[in-house]
Amino acid sequence: AQSVTQLDSHVSVSEGTPVLLRCNYSSSYSPSLFWYVQHPNKGLQLLLKYTSAATLVKGINGFEAEFKKSETSFHLTKPSAHMSDAAEYFCVVSEGGYQKVTFGTGTKLQVIP
Amino acid sequence: GAGVSQTPSNKVTEKGKYVELRCDPISGHTALYWYRQSLGQGPEFLIYFQGTGAADDSGLPNDRFFAVRPEGSVSTLKIQRTERGDSAVYLCASSLTSSRGTGELFFGEGSRLTVL
Repeated sequence: AQSVTQLDSHVSVSEGTPVLLRCNYSSSYSPSLFWYVQHPNKGLQLLLKYTSAATLVKGINGFEAEFKKSETSFHLTKPSAHMSDAAEYFCVVSEGGYQKVTFGTGTKLQVIP
Repeated sequence: GAGVSQTPSNKVTEKGKYVELRCDPISGHTALYWYRQSLGQGPEFLIYFQGTGAADDSGLPNDRFFAVRPEGSVSTLKIQRTERGDSAVYLCASSLTSSRGTGELFFGEGSRLTVL
């Protein structure tokens, strides 16, 4: 069975400082991992995905994530937060040819001016 | 259309009524998912279609919920005898299936259901 745990329900950072959103996963197979972002009253948008190629994945808007198998982690980072990054972020795991997709509970990112 | 389309965007109904929510996926996407997102929570899996068949309906909460995808494209989520606890945003996503199961999900804007 697969699962994903987002360790922080809320993260608050000052504009211009680094962002770290944590995600740990559990999977019986080699998983695919994704980060999605959801702005208020908007649909879910893919930020980036890991599919067993390079372990450091770069996404849109300056975000990146590193797949660490030994730690079963896929943390999302950004060097410098912008006000427009304020949103909810979901870590997602998908495994196997069946493609069952499981969402984490989400992390709300607040960016303080 | 270019993206996943969901209708209606908003639906207000009374307890006990029947509701249908429609999802029109991206053309050519064989995989289709329904999720439910309650206020302050992450999307909760309901059902997954591969083509016309429901490959996994383990997330449907009870037999009041049913979904179909008769021609392998448009899907309808049907909720009978609605209850106030069914109020949520119902999200549909589609994916171009790959043999490695690495497909990105493309989401619609969701259908917000309010049961009074």
